Amino acid sequence: QQPVQSPQAVILREGEDAVINCSSSKALYSVHWYRQKHGEAPVFLMILLKGGEQKGHEKISASFNEKKQQSSLYLTASQLSYSGTYFCGTRNNTDKLIFGTGTRLQVFP
Amino acid sequence: NAGVTQTPKFQVLKTGQSMTLQCAQDMNHEYMSWYRQDPGMGLRLIHYSVGAGITDQGEVPNGYNVSRSTTEDFPLRLLSAAPSQTSVYFCASSYGNYNSPLHFGNGTRLTVT
Repeated sequence: QQPVQSPQAVILREGEDAVINCSSSKALYSVHWYRQKHGEAPVFLMILLKGGEQKGHEKISASFNEKKQQSSLYLTASQLSYSGTYFCGTRNNTDKLIFGTGTRLQVFP
Repeated sequence: NAGVTQTPKFQVLKTGQSMTLQCAQDMNHEYMSWYRQDPGMGLRLIHYSVGAGITDQGEVPNGYNVSRSTTEDFPLRLLSAAPSQTSVYFCASSYGNYNSPLHFGNGTRLTVT
């Protein structure tokens, strides 16, 4: 079952912040985050594991709340290069990595 | 180190034709998978493999076959192409445990007329 991402789309000015949420109806073992630019393959951002950890990658960080079965991706002081579609992928107790439908982020000058 | 290589990049088929999308990786990854991407649907898992000789179904396996005879290769076969299989197909691989990121190929854009 696909995780649910929200919002579906975000429009930002450079320097603004955004939060993208990912929630699942099943217990999660790990959450992946990827970014895809138009016409390209998805690119890995980070993985979060059970334990409620938070990770950072430059000005992009994420949290994972396993009790609520959800993860959030935080983009701070957005740059033009952050534009793209963000996907969360979730694994429960199987080997399948199931992706959400994506959040399209557009950053304007 | 080429990473994940998919061929062809583009393909046009007529309804009923069969074909094989090729995927090869040179990173000695145990885990390989196929996704299709359609507008508004995200990436949907077709089939995956946790090692040579082992394959399993994903979310949308109907109309597709896979096999994994070697660690490096994971071909996807369309048995009888249908217009509903028009999509962009991505192959991805990883070391296979929960900690490992997926490495994606550049995709194959398939059109079925």
